[in-house]
Amino acid sequence: TQLLEQSPQFLSIQEGENLTVYCNSSSVFSSLQWYRQEPGEGPVLLVTVVTGGEVKKLKRLTFQFGDARKDSSLHITAAQPGDTGLYLCAGRQGAQKLVFGQGTRLTINP
Amino acid sequence: NAGVTQTPKFQVLKTGQSMTLQCAQDMNHEYMSWYRQDPGMGLRLIHYSVGAGITDQGEVPNGYNVSRSTTEDFPLRLLSAAPSQTSVYFCASSFSADRGKQPQHFGDGTRLSIL
Repeated sequence: TQLLEQSPQFLSIQEGENLTVYCNSSSVFSSLQWYRQEPGEGPVLLVTVVTGGEVKKLKRLTFQFGDARKDSSLHITAAQPGDTGLYLCAGRQGAQKLVFGQGTRLTINP
Repeated sequence: NAGVTQTPKFQVLKTGQSMTLQCAQDMNHEYMSWYRQDPGMGLRLIHYSVGAGITDQGEVPNGYNVSRSTTEDFPLRLLSAAPSQTSVYFCASSFSADRGKQPQHFGDGTRLSIL
């Protein structure tokens, strides 16, 4: 059983469309991070959200942390082929452990 | 600035063989960790270390050993390789584990196949 469930697991859309990826759990996290991973590379941190209800924007990407700190979403506006990749959410448990979701593999078609 | 360096990038082993995956970071980070990434499973924590001389188990520690004799290095040892250990292994480091905002810096991974 995955502690952090990401949905959808796969998403293929056309350039210019909007999309939302979800990261859900029944557990509370002290913070939540979103990473993007390219083939053959390690994940790279996009954002960290700490406060319940927090919203952070990174250009066309908007990240939101749920009020209860159990879930998060990533919204991409006007998706571009460069957004293609594996998106991973990771929640911090206690001081020392980071728990990852299984990832959403996003493909943006030109 | 090399960041987190993992070697080798690829390795094929036979069942029962042992080997060590190397991980080194040059950022003077206290916290280092090893993950394995399998299709549909995300990254699962194997072992982690909060500083030199201190290690602890993660979610899937069986079949793996670690040591942290220096701040820079955190090798992962497979004692007797099994096909179930076929995976992509990532090493990560961060300045400190004790702050929720600390980003983890990942290496590029070691792709390991056990025949």
